[in-house]
Amino acid sequence: EADIYQTPRYLVIGTGKKITLECSQTMGHDKMYWYQQDPGMELHLIHYSYGVNSTEKGDLSSESTVSRIRTEHFPLTLESARPSHTSQYLCASRGQGTGTEAFFGQGTRLTVV
Amino acid sequence: GNSVTQMEGPVTLSEEAFLTINCTYTATGYPSLFWYVQYPGEGLQLLLKATKADDKGSNKGFEATYRKETTSFHLEKGSVQVSDSAVYFCALGNYGQNFVFGPGTRLSVLP
Repeated sequence: EADIYQTPRYLVIGTGKKITLECSQTMGHDKMYWYQQDPGMELHLIHYSYGVNSTEKGDLSSESTVSRIRTEHFPLTLESARPSHTSQYLCASRGQGTGTEAFFGQGTRLTVV
Repeated sequence: GNSVTQMEGPVTLSEEAFLTINCTYTATGYPSLFWYVQYPGEGLQLLLKATKADDKGSNKGFEATYRKETTSFHLEKGSVQVSDSAVYFCALGNYGQNFVFGPGTRLSVLP
């Protein structure tokens, strides 16, 4: 069973608020990822990290930011939420090697009103 | 670069029907291939994987064979159940690069 956790599972928040989506893993994985998933299902990589103090933007431009101060923790922050940020956000982690799978959290469903 | 193409859905089947979801890939070197499943309101779960050519991954009655000659990794199940209704993602992992996911295929199984 995957040991990667996201909180909160669901969040409804007003426009302009600052929010942080939490993601933690207990597997000691160096690689961690944030994906945005719209109702059309496709996953879009928005941020990734290969280790502590390493963060990169993904394929899809995002107004969010991330930090990686500890191996196990990879939070995502929106400084000023907008309705266009309404989406499902999925966090994942992965160990070393091409044959290793990615483990996903259960996701955070964000609604900005 | 690396890419994954999946058959477009949605796919609707009756219970006990045979399932095939096509997946083809483009990659350099020797990637590993994966199938993930996502149930409503959940994250993705690994369904099966194959790490080299001709390997067959299998789990819960699902199978997929890594075919390097046709660059394919088609997902099959002999008899689907209502509980198999979900979204299925084909994915590729390659050395030094991030995971690449296909667009997903939604499967609905009717009783």
